[in-house]
Amino acid sequence: AQSVTQLGSHVSVSEGALVLLRCNYSSSVPPYLFWYVQYPNQGLQLLLKYTSAATLVKGINGFEAEFKKSETSFHLTKPSAHMSDAAEYFCAASRGGTYKYIFGTGTRLKVLA
Amino acid sequence: DVKVTQSSRYLVKRTGEKVFLECVQDMDHENMFWYRQDPGLGLRLIYFSYDVKMKEKGDIPEGYSVSREKKERFSLILESASTNQTSMYLCASSQQGPSTYEQYFGPGTRLTVT
Repeated sequence: AQSVTQLGSHVSVSEGALVLLRCNYSSSVPPYLFWYVQYPNQGLQLLLKYTSAATLVKGINGFEAEFKKSETSFHLTKPSAHMSDAAEYFCAASRGGTYKYIFGTGTRLKVLA
Repeated sequence: DVKVTQSSRYLVKRTGEKVFLECVQDMDHENMFWYRQDPGLGLRLIYFSYDVKMKEKGDIPEGYSVSREKKERFSLILESASTNQTSMYLCASSQQGPSTYEQYFGPGTRLTVT
């Protein structure tokens, strides 16, 4: 069965440091992949998506992610963390090209002053 | 600006009550989804609707039903609420077409069943 794995349920970084949130997917066919962010008491907001057009995808708020088929990974990065980046981040994959997604379990990012 | 709204942000119900969670989108999207979000489990799909009166079970449909009588509205029904249905419920919508279309989420309803 298709799955999405996010390594690390909690990640802490210092303000100004690199943010790296990990996502691996399992699928025989590379799916469409997404990163969403959830700020406290809010719904999910799309950060970026991979649709096979380019392996390096740039999103909002300075985030980007690189699709690596050989590693079945889609890790999210940001060069310099800001306090406002503190939130929960979810990786998601489309299921077999359908409209339905499967989500990872989420990573809560804490930014230390 | 796209909008998905949910009828309540917080809801407290008693065990055995029938509970209705309402979701409305103003983007003319064909697809609508109900998810449940629990700590450490991420988002799990309860039900999916791809057209008016059409629905499909998700991963955890037991104890839930849905209704879609109008394109913009998708309701989640808990026929007889139980304490293990205490959770955050998120509604989402998306266009049909290539599955690259992202899902747009509402703010969520935090349901507590006592």
